[in-house]
Amino acid sequence: GENVEQHPSTLSVQEGDSAVIKCTYSDSASNYFPWYKQELGKGPQLIIDIRSNVGEKKDQRIAVTLNKTAKHFSLHITETQPEDSAVYFCAAPNQAGTALIFGKGTTLSVSS
Amino acid sequence: GAGVSQTPSNKVTEKGKYVELRCDPISGHTALYWYRQSLGQGPEFLIYFQGTGAADDSGLPNDRFFAVRPEGSVSTLKIQRTERGDSAVYLCASSLTAGGTGELFFGEGSRLTVL
Repeated sequence: GENVEQHPSTLSVQEGDSAVIKCTYSDSASNYFPWYKQELGKGPQLIIDIRSNVGEKKDQRIAVTLNKTAKHFSLHITETQPEDSAVYFCAAPNQAGTALIFGKGTTLSVSS
Repeated sequence: GAGVSQTPSNKVTEKGKYVELRCDPISGHTALYWYRQSLGQGPEFLIYFQGTGAADDSGLPNDRFFAVRPEGSVSTLKIQRTERGDSAVYLCASSLTAGGTGELFFGEGSRLTVL
């Protein structure tokens, strides 16, 4: 089945710096790669996603890049702000294409 | 509210007891998912409903876990003979898109503690 590996598990940056989180996946047939943000006591919320027909997608300070050959994708956050502090999860569809498999998460801390 | 609603938000029970967790999805969302999240881990897939039927229940850990969605809207996750290892946050999500290729809208979860 699909296996999603995410790193680093924790990341601390200063306000204004950039943050990068990386994920690898195992199923070469996967074609959808979302990133979710989870704040304390809340459910995960989609922040950006990318499909396999493009290599990069941007939305203001957030971008996702995809390398299908290497089977990895990354989340880039520029000009980080304290409110970006949260746990971030990458995900990919399972082999049956019925559900998302999530990585173990990255705890991002942005200090001002 | 227009979001996914889960009740109870917290449930404390004793080992061996029966527990029901309820999920009220966003109106019109035909896809519904249950996930389990342990401390410091990502959500772990349990079961996926498309309409009233369980389209994929491969994530249910054993036969103590069962879920229903009789009218294609509200879903109930049922856990029999609870064990301490069942302690986790149980997340429900709904989606307009069938399968795992669209945005999931999560509820805030039901935190289950088995003493």
